[in-house]
Amino acid sequence: AQSVTQLDSQVPVFEEAPVELRCNYSSSVSVYLFWYVQYPNQGLQLLLKYLSGSTLVKGINGFEAEFNKSQTSFHLRKPSVHISDTAEYFCAVKDAGNKLTFGGGTRVLVKP
Amino acid sequence: ETGVTQTPRHLVMGMTNKKSLKCEQHLGHNAMYWYKQSAKKPLELMFVYSLEERVENNSVPSRFSPECPNSSHLFLHLHTLQPEDSALYLCASSPDSGPYYEQYFGPGTRLTVT
Repeated sequence: AQSVTQLDSQVPVFEEAPVELRCNYSSSVSVYLFWYVQYPNQGLQLLLKYLSGSTLVKGINGFEAEFNKSQTSFHLRKPSVHISDTAEYFCAVKDAGNKLTFGGGTRVLVKP
Repeated sequence: ETGVTQTPRHLVMGMTNKKSLKCEQHLGHNAMYWYKQSAKKPLELMFVYSLEERVENNSVPSRFSPECPNSSHLFLHLHTLQPEDSALYLCASSPDSGPYYEQYFGPGTRLTVT
C-alpha cells in the first residue's frame, strides 16, 4: 500500500523568508503527485501536480515542487512567503488506481 | 453556487440520532468522494463513486451509508455513530475517477458526536 510521509508537522517561518515542506512517498511504481493547501475552515485546494515530464512543477501562489524519483520525494518550496500563506499543506500520491493517499499535513505559520 | 458545496457546515448529533450530510458539485464531474479528516490523522478516503456507481469502499463501518442518486449529488447517511466519528467530513469531485485528475473539495461538514 502507498504511504506518504510529511516529515514536519509544523513549520514556523518569518514573512518574506523562503520555506520548504518535505514529502516522501513509498511507492516504487509510477505515481502521480499532488500538493494541496487547506486554509482555516475551508476545504482543500490544489496547489500543483506532477503527472509526467519536467520534474520541476510550478503551481499557484508562487509555489513550486520538485519530483525526485531516486529519493521518492516531492518537496514543496516558496522563495518568499506572505502572511496569507498560513495554512496546512498536504502532499498526496496516486498510483494507477482511484485512491489518493495523503500525508499527515504540515502546518505553516507565517510570522510578521 | 459554484464548485463543491456541502451542507450542513456544522452538525452536532447524539449517538442514537440519524442524520445525513449532503454534497453537491456544480462542475459537471463524473466522480465524487467522501473523506474523513480527524485531528492528528491523515485524510482518509471513505467512498468513491464514478457515474453514480460505488467503485471503492475503504473498509468503512456500516454506520456510514453513502448514496449517490445522480452525478451531481452525494449523501452520507449517519446512524448510531460513536464519539470517535467526530471529524471534518470532506466531499470532493473530479472529472473522472482515474489517476490523472485532480479532486475539487468542498468546505466540509464539522461533525460532533455527543
